[in-house]
Amino acid sequence: DAGVIQSPRHEVTEMGQEVTLRCKPISGHNSLFWYRQTMMRGLELLIYFNNNVPIDDSGMPEDRFSAKMPNASFSTLKIQPSEPRDSAVYFCASHDRGRSYEQYFGPGTRLTVT
Amino acid sequence: AQKITQTQPGMFVQEKEAVTLDCTYDTSDQSYGLFWYKQPSSGEMIFLIYQGSYDEQNATEGRYSLNFQKARKSANLVISASQLGDSAMYFCAMRERRTSGTYKYIFGTGTRLKVLA
Repeated sequence: DAGVIQSPRHEVTEMGQEVTLRCKPISGHNSLFWYRQTMMRGLELLIYFNNNVPIDDSGMPEDRFSAKMPNASFSTLKIQPSEPRDSAVYFCASHDRGRSYEQYFGPGTRLTVT
Repeated sequence: AQKITQTQPGMFVQEKEAVTLDCTYDTSDQSYGLFWYKQPSSGEMIFLIYQGSYDEQNATEGRYSLNFQKARKSANLVISASQLGDSAMYFCAMRERRTSGTYKYIFGTGTRLKVLA
């Protein structure tokens, strides 16, 4: 299996622009997680989905952030408008709830907002 | 309040020696899970080991073992026979259940381990 795929790997954008991060989970996994990692705040869970349904979005920082999972093989995290403080590495992870507790992480998207 | 505390920002260990990375947690739940992840300099997050709160035996995965002391609320990671490739950042994490029934995942601030040749 290819593992969790994230795109783009790096994104540099200007403040105010819309940013869309993409994730393809491992085939057959039924949970998907979006995390953000910064030096100041460490690793934070933003939102997670079970069977494509958002279960807990209490970690989403504010209304500028939104996440969707239109089907089992694709999810997006959108920031509109972006701000410099959104600069971070964003990880997507997937998990098969019925088999193990292990979350498989993607390689991350490094976002820089100037 | 910090739910996951990793008090060692950095650790050194000699190759082939064992090392213990500390983790304490805070929860009022009876059912929870504890994880350790490794993050090498390349940036990816790699799952190492899991311990459920009801598991009576300490979890082991190859050279990794989790020293689970429930009464003390500690879940230390022990790496035996350290290798140069073990040099990385290590994160302790907890999964606890919210009153709403959803799960909350909390990560510690990490411990940077450097294995010396």
